[in-house]
Amino acid sequence: DAGVIQSPRHEVTEMGQEVTLRCKPISGHDYLFWYRQTMMRGLELLIYFNNNVPIDDSGMPEDRFSAKMPNASFSTLKIQPSEPRDSAVYFCASSPRTSLNEQFFGPGTRLTVL
Amino acid sequence: SQKIEQNSEALNIQEGKTATLTCNYTNYSPAYLQWYRQDPGRGPVFLLLIRENEKEKRKERLKVTFDTTLKQSLFHITASQPADSATYLCALSGGSYIPTFGRGTSLIVHP
Repeated sequence: DAGVIQSPRHEVTEMGQEVTLRCKPISGHDYLFWYRQTMMRGLELLIYFNNNVPIDDSGMPEDRFSAKMPNASFSTLKIQPSEPRDSAVYFCASSPRTSLNEQFFGPGTRLTVL
Repeated sequence: SQKIEQNSEALNIQEGKTATLTCNYTNYSPAYLQWYRQDPGRGPVFLLLIRENEKEKRKERLKVTFDTTLKQSLFHITASQPADSATYLCALSGGSYIPTFGRGTSLIVHP
């Protein structure tokens, strides 16, 4: 298995633009998580899905952030409009139902909003 | 509120020595505690999980302890190698199994 796949790996955009981050979880994993990592706040959980259904989005910072999982092999995290304070590394992770404690992380997307 | 504390200062040790990293927590009664390794530019990688009723767990050169009275976990790497240099994150989870992560401690092993 190729592991969790994220794209793009790097994204530089200007304030006000829409940003879409993509994730392909490991096949067979029931859970998908979106995290944001910054030096100041560490690794924060934004939202997670179980069987494509959003379970907890309490970590989503504001309405500018939205996430979807249209099928078991694809998820997106969208920021519209983007702001400089959204600059961070965004990670997607997946877990099997039998081992939720063990998360498999993707390589991350480094987002810079100018 | 729940708080997970890991030393923000990097730990520098000499190759061959045992590295010990600390994770303290407050306002939390986790059922599980995990340790992850993160290399620069990469996502965290799961290393070990220990349950609240387990005092110690080992995996090759790694050893984790979990003291629910002290609210502390210690992570040991014996016979450390320069390749062990990375940031190590502890994570706690309860009944939902969804982990909350600490900010990590950087380990630098000098040859």
